[in-house]
Amino acid sequence: AQTVTQSQPEMSVQEAETVTLSCTYDTSESDYYLFWYKQPPSRQMILVIRQEAYKQQNATENRFSVNFQKAAKSFSLKISDSQLGDAAMYFCAYTIQGAQKLVFGQGTRLTINP
Amino acid sequence: EPEVTQTPSHQVTQMGQEVILRCVPISNHLYFYWYRQILGQKVEFLVSFYNNEISEKSEIFDDQFSVERPDGSNFTLKIRSTKLEDSAMYFCASSEWQGMFFGPGTRLTVL
Repeated sequence: AQTVTQSQPEMSVQEAETVTLSCTYDTSESDYYLFWYKQPPSRQMILVIRQEAYKQQNATENRFSVNFQKAAKSFSLKISDSQLGDAAMYFCAYTIQGAQKLVFGQGTRLTINP
Repeated sequence: EPEVTQTPSHQVTQMGQEVILRCVPISNHLYFYWYRQILGQKVEFLVSFYNNEISEKSEIFDDQFSVERPDGSNFTLKIRSTKLEDSAMYFCASSEWQGMFFGPGTRLTVL
């Protein structure tokens, strides 16, 4: 069974600094997708960034980027120039090609210190 | 920008009562989902729906749960006889190639 592990229950960073959230996953599939979702206190799930496993290039969305290491089954999220609005729970998620569900990690609570 | 909507935002019910949670997925999406998040825990998959039928369901999705797409826009989750442990945030989602997009959720409280 596919599993997603986020080993950092909580992280904190000073405003304007950079923080990296870790995620590892376990799969025997070769075609899959990885995602990071942000869940602010409102509890809405917001898609932050998406990575296709067949792409070697790491995905980037403005201040958010990933470090995708396929062989190591690692998918970390880097947030640059952290802002107070980045404070939230961050969930790593996985789905295989053609599958119809996301498997989520346990989440990392990110606090931004002003 | 298109978005998934859900109603109500908060539902309070008595144990044993039936509840229906409603969702309007993004209009050109073909796959629809329900997920659940018990407070403080991770998001769990319940069911996926495609072409007017369930395509996959988890072990959580037992006989007390059902889904329906009664018309061209709505997608509902019915819980027939609610239990205390059904208290959770319920998220509807729809997807296409760019990813899965979630609604704002319905907070269900079972008393």
